[in-house]
Amino acid sequence: ELKVEQNPLFLSMQEGKNYTIYCNYSTTSDRLYWYRQDPGKSLESLFVLLSNGAVKQEGRLMASLDTKARLSTLHITAAVHDLSATYFCAVIMNYGGSQGNLIFGKGTKLSVKP
Amino acid sequence: GAGVSQSPSNKVTEKGKDVELRCDPISGHTALYWYRQSLGQGLEFLIYFQGNSAPDKSGLPSDRFSAERTGGSVSTLTIQRTQQEDSAVYLCASNLWTGIYSPLHFGNGTRLTVT
Repeated sequence: ELKVEQNPLFLSMQEGKNYTIYCNYSTTSDRLYWYRQDPGKSLESLFVLLSNGAVKQEGRLMASLDTKARLSTLHITAAVHDLSATYFCAVIMNYGGSQGNLIFGKGTKLSVKP
Repeated sequence: GAGVSQSPSNKVTEKGKDVELRCDPISGHTALYWYRQSLGQGLEFLIYFQGNSAPDKSGLPSDRFSAERTGGSVSTLTIQRTQQEDSAVYLCASNLWTGIYSPLHFGNGTRLTVT
């Protein structure tokens, strides 16, 4: 059974600070997604990471994937209030030629304070 | 273009009643997914469709839950004899078939409240 664990689950940051959210998963997969969810809204895709060593950056967010360690990180640089949201990582299950379902972590609720 | 559309956006029902939730995926998307999100929780996988078939129904919590997809497009999630623990936001998502590494595109969800 594929398990996806995120930590921390809650994160309170000051504006301007840096921090990293971690996503560990339990079985082999080489496709990992990061999503953002604002309160009362649906999920918005941030990054798709497709291979070992993949790194993607968008603004103050940078995501990386280490398939050998089964670990992805989402790094926040110089946080601003607009980044306050819940961030989910998700890992594809049954990958290898057939589309499988996406297993989500519990999410990290990020609050950026002035 | 239009995104994933779900209806109704909100549904309040009495315990024991049946409900139907509808999802219109993005045109051309062959894969369709249903997830459930309880208040303050992560996403719980329910079922996914590839075309009209459902290769994985393992997430359906009980036999009161069923889903179908017709014409490779619209999907309906049906919950029979609703219980209070069914209260949640039901999210639908779609994407292109395997080999195209597209992320899931989510609808805005149906908020179900069972009283």
